[in-house]
Amino acid sequence: GAVVSQHPSWVICKSGTSVKIECRSLDFQATTMFWYRQFPKQSLMLMATSNEGSKATYEQGVEKDKFLINHASLTLSTLTVTSAHPEDSSFYICSANRQYEQYFGPGTRLTVT
Amino acid sequence: AQSVTQPDIHITVSEGASLELRCNYSYGATPYLFWYVQSPGQGLQLLLKYFSGDTLVQGIKGFEAEFKRSQSSFNLRKPSVHWSDAAEYFCAVGIKAAGNKLTFGGGTRVLVKP
Repeated sequence: GAVVSQHPSWVICKSGTSVKIECRSLDFQATTMFWYRQFPKQSLMLMATSNEGSKATYEQGVEKDKFLINHASLTLSTLTVTSAHPEDSSFYICSANRQYEQYFGPGTRLTVT
Repeated sequence: AQSVTQPDIHITVSEGASLELRCNYSYGATPYLFWYVQSPGQGLQLLLKYFSGDTLVQGIKGFEAEFKRSQSSFNLRKPSVHWSDAAEYFCAVGIKAAGNKLTFGGGTRVLVKP
Protein backbone atom coordinates (compact mmCIF):
# COMPACT_ATOMS: atom_id res chain seq x y z
CA GLY A 1 0.00 0.00 0.00
CA ALA A 2 0.85 3.73 0.03
CA VAL A 3 1.59 4.17 -3.65
CA VAL A 4 2.10 7.58 -5.20
CA SER A 5 2.15 8.14 -8.93
CA GLN A 6 3.27 11.06 -11.04
CA HIS A 7 2.32 11.95 -14.56
CA PRO A 8 4.02 12.48 -16.88
CA SER A 9 7.29 10.79 -16.01
CA TRP A 10 9.10 12.81 -18.64
CA VAL A 11 8.16 15.94 -20.54
CA ILE A 12 9.81 18.28 -23.00
CA CYS A 13 8.32 21.69 -23.60
CA LYS A 14 9.29 24.84 -25.42
CA SER A 15 10.39 27.95 -23.63
CA GLY A 16 7.44 30.17 -22.74
CA THR A 17 4.87 27.41 -22.51
CA SER A 18 3.32 25.93 -19.38
CA VAL A 19 3.40 22.35 -18.23
CA LYS A 20 1.31 20.57 -15.61
CA ILE A 21 2.55 17.68 -13.48
CA GLU A 22 0.11 15.49 -11.57
CA CYS A 23 0.73 13.72 -8.30
CA ARG A 24 -1.76 11.09 -7.14
CA SER A 25 -2.00 8.99 -4.02
CA LEU A 26 -3.44 5.76 -5.41
CA ASP A 27 -4.53 3.87 -2.32
CA PHE A 28 -4.82 6.42 0.44
CA GLN A 29 -6.02 9.94 1.04
CA ALA A 30 -3.52 12.68 1.68
CA THR A 31 -4.47 16.04 3.07
CA THR A 32 -0.87 17.13 2.68
CA MET A 33 1.41 16.64 -0.27
CA PHE A 34 4.84 18.08 -0.93
CA TRP A 35 6.67 19.16 -4.06
CA TYR A 36 10.43 18.90 -4.37
CA ARG A 37 12.94 19.85 -6.99
CA GLN A 38 16.15 17.97 -7.54
CA PHE A 39 19.08 19.08 -9.68
CA PRO A 40 21.50 16.48 -11.04
CA LYS A 41 23.63 14.89 -8.37
CA GLN A 42 22.07 17.06 -5.70
CA SER A 43 19.65 16.61 -2.86
CA LEU A 44 15.93 17.32 -2.83
CA MET A 45 14.85 20.86 -2.18
CA LEU A 46 11.36 21.41 -0.85
CA MET A 47 9.43 23.82 -3.03
CA ALA A 48 6.04 23.89 -1.36
CA THR A 49 3.57 22.16 0.89
CA SER A 50 0.24 21.45 -0.73
CA ASN A 51 -2.83 21.26 1.52
CA GLU A 52 -6.14 19.96 0.27
CA GLY A 53 -8.70 22.74 -0.01
CA SER A 54 -6.35 25.58 0.84
CA LYS A 55 -3.50 27.54 -0.62
CA ALA A 56 -0.11 26.00 -0.86
CA THR A 57 2.71 27.13 1.40
CA TYR A 58 5.83 27.99 -0.56
CA GLU A 59 9.39 27.82 0.68
CA GLN A 60 11.48 30.94 0.69
CA GLY A 61 12.79 31.79 -2.73
CA VAL A 62 10.20 29.79 -4.67
CA GLU A 63 8.09 31.91 -7.01
CA LYS A 64 4.48 31.07 -6.29
CA ASP A 65 3.27 32.70 -9.50
CA LYS A 66 5.62 30.57 -11.53
CA PHE A 67 5.01 27.28 -9.77
CA LEU A 68 1.26 27.00 -9.34
CA ILE A 69 0.10 24.28 -6.99
CA ASN A 70 -3.44 23.02 -6.71
CA HIS A 71 -4.64 20.33 -4.29
CA ALA A 72 -8.22 19.92 -5.37
CA SER A 73 -8.89 16.53 -3.84
CA LEU A 74 -7.50 14.22 -1.20
CA THR A 75 -5.74 12.15 -3.85
CA LEU A 76 -4.52 14.70 -6.37
CA SER A 77 -2.11 17.61 -6.32
CA THR A 78 -0.86 19.37 -9.44
CA LEU A 79 2.18 21.51 -10.09
CA THR A 80 2.04 23.84 -13.09
CA VAL A 81 5.25 25.41 -14.27
CA THR A 82 4.14 28.58 -16.02
CA SER A 83 6.08 30.29 -18.78
CA ALA A 84 8.81 27.69 -18.47
CA HIS A 85 12.41 28.58 -19.23
CA PRO A 86 15.47 26.36 -19.65
CA GLU A 87 16.53 27.07 -16.06
CA ASP A 88 13.32 25.36 -14.92
CA SER A 89 14.59 22.10 -16.35
CA SER A 90 14.88 19.72 -13.43
CA PHE A 91 13.59 16.57 -11.79
CA TYR A 92 10.38 17.26 -9.87
CA ILE A 93 9.28 14.84 -7.18
CA CYS A 94 6.11 14.84 -5.15
CA SER A 95 5.27 13.06 -1.93
CA ALA A 96 2.08 12.39 -0.01
CA ASN A 97 1.90 12.40 3.74
CA ARG A 98 0.31 9.55 5.67
CA GLN A 99 0.73 9.08 9.38
CA TYR A 100 3.96 11.04 9.63
CA GLU A 101 5.55 9.24 6.71
CA GLN A 102 6.00 10.63 3.27
CA TYR A 103 5.52 8.40 0.29
CA PHE A 104 7.28 9.56 -2.83
CA GLY A 105 6.29 9.51 -6.44
CA PRO A 106 8.73 8.32 -9.11
CA GLY A 107 9.47 11.85 -10.27
CA THR A 108 8.96 13.88 -13.44
CA ARG A 109 11.86 14.99 -15.57
CA LEU A 110 11.16 18.35 -17.18
CA THR A 111 13.30 19.60 -20.05
CA VAL A 112 12.63 23.08 -21.40
CA THR A 113 14.09 23.81 -24.82
CA ALA B 1 15.80 25.80 11.77
CA GLN B 2 16.63 22.16 11.43
CA SER B 3 19.50 20.92 9.27
CA VAL B 4 20.92 17.59 8.21
CA THR B 5 24.54 16.85 7.36
CA GLN B 6 25.82 13.82 5.52
CA PRO B 7 29.59 14.28 5.69
CA ASP B 8 30.47 11.74 3.00
CA ILE B 9 29.57 12.69 -0.56
CA HIS B 10 30.87 9.44 -2.04
CA ILE B 11 31.68 6.08 -0.52
CA THR B 12 33.14 3.14 -2.39
CA VAL B 13 32.83 -0.27 -0.81
CA SER B 14 33.62 -3.78 -1.98
CA GLU B 15 30.80 -6.22 -2.42
CA GLY B 16 30.39 -8.22 0.76
CA ALA B 17 32.01 -5.60 2.93
CA SER B 18 30.20 -3.61 5.59
CA LEU B 19 28.82 -0.14 4.99
CA GLU B 20 28.19 2.77 7.31
CA LEU B 21 26.71 6.08 6.20
CA ARG B 22 26.87 9.01 8.57
CA CYS B 23 24.08 11.46 9.32
CA ASN B 24 24.06 14.30 11.81
CA TYR B 25 21.12 16.58 12.44
CA SER B 26 20.47 19.83 14.18
CA TYR B 27 17.12 20.33 15.84
CA GLY B 28 15.90 21.53 19.23
CA ALA B 29 13.91 18.44 20.08
CA THR B 30 13.84 14.81 19.01
CA PRO B 31 12.82 14.80 15.39
CA TYR B 32 11.46 12.06 13.23
CA LEU B 33 14.42 10.56 11.35
CA PHE B 34 14.41 8.78 8.03
CA TRP B 35 16.76 7.12 5.59
CA TYR B 36 15.78 6.94 1.93
CA VAL B 37 17.46 5.35 -1.07
CA GLN B 38 17.24 6.65 -4.62
CA SER B 39 18.27 4.78 -7.73
CA PRO B 40 19.17 6.86 -10.81
CA GLY B 41 16.18 8.65 -12.28
CA GLN B 42 13.84 7.25 -9.67
CA GLY B 43 11.87 8.47 -6.70
CA LEU B 44 12.78 7.76 -3.11
CA GLN B 45 12.24 4.53 -1.25
CA LEU B 46 12.04 4.51 2.52
CA LEU B 47 14.65 2.24 4.13
CA LEU B 48 13.78 2.87 7.75
CA LYS B 49 12.50 5.44 10.19
CA TYR B 50 12.81 6.43 13.83
CA PHE B 51 9.99 8.08 15.73
CA SER B 52 10.62 6.98 19.31
CA GLY B 53 11.46 3.95 21.43
CA ASP B 54 14.26 1.52 20.65
CA THR B 55 17.16 3.50 19.27
CA LEU B 56 18.32 0.67 16.99
CA VAL B 57 15.98 0.50 14.03
CA GLN B 58 15.75 -2.29 11.50
CA GLY B 59 14.77 -1.54 7.96
CA ILE B 60 14.36 -3.17 4.60
CA LYS B 61 17.10 -4.74 2.50
CA GLY B 62 19.15 -5.62 5.57
CA PHE B 63 19.78 -2.04 6.68
CA GLU B 64 19.73 -0.78 10.24
CA ALA B 65 20.29 2.60 11.86
CA GLU B 66 21.04 3.77 15.35
CA PHE B 67 19.75 6.99 16.88
CA LYS B 68 22.24 8.56 19.26
CA ARG B 69 20.75 11.57 20.96
CA SER B 70 24.02 12.64 22.58
CA GLN B 71 25.70 12.82 19.19
CA SER B 72 22.68 14.03 17.22
CA SER B 73 23.36 11.22 14.82
CA PHE B 74 21.39 8.60 12.93
CA ASN B 75 23.95 6.49 11.09
CA LEU B 76 22.92 3.82 8.61
CA ARG B 77 24.65 0.44 8.48
CA LYS B 78 24.61 -2.75 6.50
CA PRO B 79 26.80 -5.74 7.42
CA SER B 80 27.34 -7.04 3.89
CA VAL B 81 26.79 -4.92 0.81
CA HIS B 82 25.37 -6.29 -2.43
CA TRP B 83 26.03 -4.82 -5.87
CA SER B 84 22.38 -3.74 -5.99
CA ASP B 85 22.98 -1.41 -3.04
CA ALA B 86 24.78 1.03 -5.32
CA ALA B 87 22.59 4.13 -5.17
CA GLU B 88 22.17 7.54 -3.56
CA TYR B 89 21.22 7.57 0.11
CA PHE B 90 19.49 10.44 1.83
CA CYS B 91 19.02 11.08 5.52
CA ALA B 92 16.06 13.30 6.44
CA VAL B 93 14.58 14.99 9.46
CA GLY B 94 10.83 15.39 9.78
CA ILE B 95 9.15 17.93 12.01
CA LYS B 96 5.82 16.74 13.39
CA ALA B 97 4.62 20.26 14.12
CA ALA B 98 5.12 21.19 10.48
CA GLY B 99 3.07 18.33 9.11
CA ASN B 100 6.18 16.17 8.84
CA LYS B 101 7.89 18.53 6.44
CA LEU B 102 11.22 16.91 5.62
CA THR B 103 14.66 18.43 5.49
CA PHE B 104 17.14 16.32 3.56
CA GLY B 105 20.85 15.91 3.88
CA GLY B 106 23.03 16.35 0.84
CA GLY B 107 23.10 12.65 0.11
CA THR B 108 25.82 10.02 -0.08
CA ARG B 109 26.50 8.16 -3.30
CA VAL B 110 27.50 4.57 -2.71
CA LEU B 111 29.56 2.74 -5.30
CA VAL B 112 30.02 -1.00 -4.97
CA LYS B 113 33.16 -2.66 -6.33
CA PRO B 114 32.93 -6.28 -7.46
